[in-house]
Amino acid sequence: DAKTTQPNSMESNEEEPVHLPCNHSTISGTDYIHWYRQLPSQGPEYVIHGLTSNVNNRMASLAIAEDRKSSTLILHRATLRDAAVYYCILRDDQTGANNLFFGTGTRLTVIP
Amino acid sequence: DTAVSQTPKYLVTQMGNDKSIKCEQNLGHDTMYWYKQDSKKFLKIMFSYNNKELIINETVPNRFSPKSPDKAHLNLHINSLELGDSAVYFCASSQSVGQGYNSPLHFGNGTRLTVT
Repeated sequence: DAKTTQPNSMESNEEEPVHLPCNHSTISGTDYIHWYRQLPSQGPEYVIHGLTSNVNNRMASLAIAEDRKSSTLILHRATLRDAAVYYCILRDDQTGANNLFFGTGTRLTVIP
Repeated sequence: DTAVSQTPKYLVTQMGNDKSIKCEQNLGHDTMYWYKQDSKKFLKIMFSYNNKELIINETVPNRFSPKSPDKAHLNLHINSLELGDSAVYFCASSQSVGQGYNSPLHFGNGTRLTVT
């Protein structure tokens, strides 16, 4: 799987939007962009995924650059419960293997 | 109801012992996984089973043996435990690979294994 680069940490004030960036300059045409998050003392939790178009769900939005070499996870109103490590992961749709490669992620701190 | 449940939550044992971690999912998925998260918080896949058959086996010592009695269960047995086995082990499940390579994984809350 191609590599992703994320900032080690970010801070946000409660109830403000958060934009978590991810660079994936070596992304291939068949790579989907996935986001998971891991809250303290819990297992990773699926957030969102996309291929080319921007995606929205009840948890977040995913904005994908036109050249697909970067993407941004958007939390529209950060809450204290959103404090977690956020992982940006590329998954090849062609390999047939459903495993995920987790990098170091971005630790999000939400300030009350 | 918990979707993916692991037992025990904590496991403290001595070097050389044999221990098992159990995992059950009630999501109707037929692919299950074991991941290991080390002290540096890196998450790495260990095994993946689809319909009770092993489909991914990363470089893991053969002291680790997964066992899948049915699609809803994937247990992890570890022989001759070593200090370096101390970590948090996560079980996960997803829809079958054939039904969508990008089906999300659902994780349990982990088993913290401490080997003394």
